[in-house]
Amino acid sequence: EDQVTQSPEALRLQEGESSSLNCSYTVSGLRGLFWYRQDPGKGPEFLFTLYSAGEEKEKERLKATLTKKESFLHITAPKPEDSATYLCAVQTTDSWGKFQFGAGTQVVVTP
Amino acid sequence: EAQVTQNPRYLITVTGKKLTVTCSQNMNHEYMSWYRQDPGLGLRQIYYSMNVEVTDKGDVPEGYKVSRKEKRNFPLILESPSPNQTSLYFCASTTYGGNEQFFGPGTRLTVL
Repeated sequence: EDQVTQSPEALRLQEGESSSLNCSYTVSGLRGLFWYRQDPGKGPEFLFTLYSAGEEKEKERLKATLTKKESFLHITAPKPEDSATYLCAVQTTDSWGKFQFGAGTQVVVTP
Repeated sequence: EAQVTQNPRYLITVTGKKLTVTCSQNMNHEYMSWYRQDPGLGLRQIYYSMNVEVTDKGDVPEGYKVSRKEKRNFPLILESPSPNQTSLYFCASTTYGGNEQFFGPGTRLTVL
């Protein structure tokens, strides 16, 4: 059975304190892995898509990487505005239309 | 402005009273999907549609119906809502083969 697990569930950081979020997955065949950011009371907002092991994507203070079993979202020198819940999702080669999300990591960055 | 809209944003209802949550997108996207979000469980896919008149089940379709008669609209129907369907619901859309799903603002449903 396909499974997506995110850790930690919650993360509290001081401004400037870099850290990483983990998304581990067990799927029959990976078509793509997606990272989203969700602010309270809003819908998720797309960040990155990764397709193959070794791939990396960057956007401002965020960098996403992918291995054959997991993905990391690195937050470098975070600012309070980076506070949000970060979600990862996988899409398998079995069905293009199906997406499976992890439970998310809630990140709080304090000044 | 490119967007996905949902209505209503908040709804309190009673067990067994049929309801429809509407979803509309103005981006000419082929693909649309419904999710529910519950604490500790993340987003779970209910139904999705690859194009007009094409729908398929996600991971948690029980108790829900959908239809896709027009490209821009993808309503979610609860014919006999129950308290375990109390949740935050999101609609999303993207182009066929697209990566980025655009999400609506969410509908918070409470079934008493």
